[in-house]
Amino acid sequence: QKEVEQDPGPLSVPEGAIVSLNCTYSNSAFQYFMWYRQYSRKGPELLMYTYSSGNKEDGRFTAQVDKSSKYISLFIRDSQPSDSATYLCAMSAIIHAGKSTFGDGTTLTVKP
Amino acid sequence: DAGVTQSPTHLIKTRGQQVTLRCSPKSGHDTVSWYQQALGQGPQFIFQYYEEEERQRGNFPDRFSGHQFPNYSSELNVNALLLGDSALYLCASSPLADTQYFGPGTRLTVL
Repeated sequence: QKEVEQDPGPLSVPEGAIVSLNCTYSNSAFQYFMWYRQYSRKGPELLMYTYSSGNKEDGRFTAQVDKSSKYISLFIRDSQPSDSATYLCAMSAIIHAGKSTFGDGTTLTVKP
Repeated sequence: DAGVTQSPTHLIKTRGQQVTLRCSPKSGHDTVSWYQQALGQGPQFIFQYYEEEERQRGNFPDRFSGHQFPNYSSELNVNALLLGDSALYLCASSPLADTQYFGPGTRLTVL
């Protein structure tokens, strides 16, 4: 079983919808939780990262971490066609000098 | 300020050959990590370099080796290529005590 499991999708929503992307993990040592966006044939782009449990908001994006349930989420409000991409969750025990473990990604399509 | 850069963009090799991929980190970043991303999967950690030494290594065979230079740039070498080595190879750099940023990747095809 993988350390990080991500809802596989694909996910298709109409423009303006609220999108929920989710990951679960098994390694209690994970302290840092990241969300990346990856467009086709490009490198991942960091969207947000959080430390330990709690919520973090950045514009239309909100990241939630529940360490007690080993569950993290990314919410996208007022989704736009430009949000269409693959979203990857990633986790690490140490933010520096520590490898990140990724989920396999959820592909999102936002239809105009 | 340029971000993380990688070269070449694409590469085609045949089984058994050797390949070298290159990465220049973002200015001010001293740590470089390499990841392999197979089609439809998330990136898998290969290894990480800091102060010209390999600090951590993922579950990859010794055919995968690397190097970091004094200017923090890095190379990934893969020997005896297998068909299963076909993937997008990603370099990520980070400054001290901060998260990492990825380059655009090198797409390797092994025939």
